[in-house]
Amino acid sequence: DSGVTQTPKHLITATGQRVTLRCSPRSGDLSVYWYQQSLDQGLQFLIQYYNGEERAKGNILERFSAQQFPDLHSELNLSSLELGDSALYFCASSPQGRGNEKLFFGSGTQLSVL
Amino acid sequence: SQQGEEDPQALSIQEGENATMNCSYKTSINNLQWYRQNSGRGLVHLILIRSNEREKHSGRLRVTLDTSKKSSSLLITASRAADTASYFCQVGYDMRFGAGTRLTVKP
Repeated sequence: DSGVTQTPKHLITATGQRVTLRCSPRSGDLSVYWYQQSLDQGLQFLIQYYNGEERAKGNILERFSAQQFPDLHSELNLSSLELGDSALYFCASSPQGRGNEKLFFGSGTQLSVL
Repeated sequence: SQQGEEDPQALSIQEGENATMNCSYKTSINNLQWYRQNSGRGLVHLILIRSNEREKHSGRLRVTLDTSKKSSSLLITASRAADTASYFCQVGYDMRFGAGTRLTVKP
């Protein structure tokens, strides 16, 4: 168990809808990362937060947004969903958000857009 | 920043054999990390090697780093069916991962 909690584990929705994925980092970790993994795109880095502030941005679409709250949990909001958004979404956390730190990954949220 | 690229894309071996996979990158780095992902699960950190280290061991894992060639290798000795997974490298401060090496260990 990595200590990173993601909910829900599975989510099935329809095109055009909006969903929210939630992540609770390991106790004491200040930085949260979001990744998307699909068969055709591989593991894509979306965005990183550190102590409530956005620190790095990857391949995150404009239809997607994220935030990190004062209690350090994070949410990834996906809107106007398309079939191609079906993927496994991972959250990871690390203590200080530096590149030489281990990342601890959650077990992911499997999103199916029908 | 830059991400590492793992090679080969896929590797299939028999139980008990050694498995070697490589990671190449393009610019100077201060460290490199290897992760494992079992099918459908989150990545698990295996080992971190710093730029001033040439080799590091952890159990059956041996990682080397050649900064002159900008490459790292991960060797898994005496592989087991449970080692079947995808392996990824993370380079320096870059948060991205490559496509990974998919290792299959046949019993």
